[in-house]
Amino acid sequence: TQLLEQSPQFLSIQEGENLTVYCNSSSVFSSLQWYRQEPGEGPVLLVTVVTGGEVKKLKRLTFQFGDARKDSSLHITAAQPGDTGLYLCAGAGAGNNRKLIWGLGTSLAVNP
Amino acid sequence: DAGVIQSPRHEVTEMGQEVTLRCKPISGHNSLFWYRQTMMRGLELLIYFNNNVPIDDSGMPEDRFSAKMPNASFSTLKIQPSEPRDSAVYFCASRLGAKTTDYGYTFGSGTRLTVV
Repeated sequence: TQLLEQSPQFLSIQEGENLTVYCNSSSVFSSLQWYRQEPGEGPVLLVTVVTGGEVKKLKRLTFQFGDARKDSSLHITAAQPGDTGLYLCAGAGAGNNRKLIWGLGTSLAVNP
Repeated sequence: DAGVIQSPRHEVTEMGQEVTLRCKPISGHNSLFWYRQTMMRGLELLIYFNNNVPIDDSGMPEDRFSAKMPNASFSTLKIQPSEPRDSAVYFCASRLGAKTTDYGYTFGSGTRLTVV
């Protein structure tokens, strides 16, 4: 059962455009993490959000945790080719802080 | 910091053969995780250890899979006998702390396994 739905599945844009990707669930999570994975490598942690409504910024990336802690979004401003990769979200259930539930990811291609 | 080190990076083996994947976690990290990644199913947790003790192996597909962590600096994932459907990228990840909100996972570069 896939508990975290990520959309869109694929996204191809031109350098300089803005974009938003989404991570949605019917379940409540105690925290949610975003990772970026490049081809041939493992995922790399970008951010962890914990509080409902929380907004975190990482340079041109803005992450938001939904008020009900069931969803999250990642907004990239003025995308660069270096932003290309697979963006994964992973949520931690309230009852078990070690196991994460993973989405299938959004594959982003930023063309120069 | 060398990060999480996995070996081999690529493994091609024939159906029925034994395969052993290796992982060296980051020094000082007390939790270790084995994941499998495929296009269809994404990242699937196979097993995780805390302080070298297996905590949850409910994700291990079947008895052909086994994992060990004899000490804090080494873990293995073994598949015996291997089958074509085991073909995937296998990741090892480590983390400091017991709570997910303590620190994020650090992943290795993975082992791409192909069983023919």
